[in-house]
Amino acid sequence: NAGVTQTPKFRVLKTGQSMTLLCAQDMNHEYMYWYRQDPGMGLRLIHYSVGEGTTAKGEVPDGYNVSRLKKQNFLLGLESAAPSQTSVYFCASSYEGFSPLHFGNGTRLTVT
Amino acid sequence: KNEVEQSPQNLTAQEGEFITINCSYSVGISALHWLQQHPGGGIVSLFMLSSGKKKHGRLIATINIQEKHSSLHITASHPRDSAVYICAASTNQFYFGTGTSLTVIP
Repeated sequence: NAGVTQTPKFRVLKTGQSMTLLCAQDMNHEYMYWYRQDPGMGLRLIHYSVGEGTTAKGEVPDGYNVSRLKKQNFLLGLESAAPSQTSVYFCASSYEGFSPLHFGNGTRLTVT
Repeated sequence: KNEVEQSPQNLTAQEGEFITINCSYSVGISALHWLQQHPGGGIVSLFMLSSGKKKHGRLIATINIQEKHSSLHITASHPRDSAVYICAASTNQFYFGTGTSLTVIP
């Protein structure tokens, strides 16, 4: 059972470079989320989706874009990476808006 | 302003001890969640509760809706329980606490 799979696990970028993080879930969940986790802070919501073809901004959306072209995939893009985007990124999915979250294993991103 | 507050931030216990982690929240909730994050980084959902108490093995979660407070208890703690425990309140979105880092010493 794969659950939620995130790729890549680690990435180092130089300032100004771009990249895409991929999240895939095989549980037929409608809701998908991208969070970032920084030391001393709780998980913060970047963007989320309540179904295929839909996306919405979360608490900290600036500098990120997302797409959900297929129900099972949720992509997070950084168009021009900044050092402030150094963080651990988690994708999660849930059946309904307040159902238990299923998390991916995280992506550790460093921007130099 | 943090909608979800956890205490303590850090906790060290001897193997076998009874452990309590507390969570207070200020928002109206649909449910309260307890999550576990191991040193490897992965996060798993332990409990979702909206009233009363739930038990899974040595872990017990309770919630008092009137007082907006939840507790996570670990009985007979073991070094493999060492992890960060995160409380989250769900309404139409999730509000996360900053986590409690637990270390259980053999």
